[in-house]
Amino acid sequence: NAGVTQTPKFQVLKTGQSMTLQCAQDMNHEYMSWYRQDPGMGLRLIHYSVGAGITDQGEVPNGYNVSRSTTEDFPLRLLSAAPSQTSVYFCASSYRRDSNSPLHFGNGTRLTVT
Amino acid sequence: AQSVAQPEDQVNVAEGNPLTVKCTYSVSGNPYLFWYVQYPNRGLQFLLKYITGDNLVKGSYGFEAEFNKSQTSFHLKKPSALVSDSALYFCAVRDIDGSARQLTFGSGTQLTVLP
Repeated sequence: NAGVTQTPKFQVLKTGQSMTLQCAQDMNHEYMSWYRQDPGMGLRLIHYSVGAGITDQGEVPNGYNVSRSTTEDFPLRLLSAAPSQTSVYFCASSYRRDSNSPLHFGNGTRLTVT
Repeated sequence: AQSVAQPEDQVNVAEGNPLTVKCTYSVSGNPYLFWYVQYPNRGLQFLLKYITGDNLVKGSYGFEAEFNKSQTSFHLKKPSALVSDSALYFCAVRDIDGSARQLTFGSGTQLTVLP
C-alpha cells in the first residue's frame, strides 16, 4: 500500500527550463492537491482537483499547470522555471475535499532553480 | 477569510516534561481543526483532528489537543515529551461554513526535545 508517491525526490533546473513533478495515489481518493513549502510560510496551495477532469487554482497558481486525466495521477508542470520557484513541493490527497478526512502527503520533491 | 497562527517558531522542552505547541485560528463559521507533524525529509503526517463534540481530542503517539471556542485556540499537548517527538508541527483549519473550501496551514513550530 504505497499511499502518495512523488517523483523525483530532488531536481535542479536552470531558469527557463520546464519540468513535470509526478504524483500518484493508490487510495482511490477524489481530492488531490499540490502545496509548496517555504521556510516560515507554512504550506501554500498551488492547484487542486476534486476529481478526474476537474482542476482549480489555489493560493499561488502562477507559473504552474496541472491536469487530472485519471483518479490516480495529478502531475504538476512548471512551464518556465524561475528562482522564486525554488521550494519543496508536496502532493496530498484525501477522500473528498469537503470531508473531515485528513490529507495524505507524499514525501516531497525538493526543487532548486538556478 | 480563514487563518491560522502559530505564535512560536521554536519550542524547546526537556525529555519527560509536558509539552504544549500553540495554535489560534480565525474563521467566520465553525472550524475543522487538524494537527500534522513533519519529520526531516518527509511529508506531513496526520496527528489528530477536531470536528465536533468533546473539546479534548486524543491522537497518535500520545498527543492530544484542546479545542477552546471562546479563545479560538487548538493547542497541541503531550504529558511527557520524548526525544523522538522532535519535529516540525503544523496546525490547520477549514471553515466548514465559509466560502473558502481549502485547508489553511499555520507557519509551523519546530519542537526540540532535549535529552
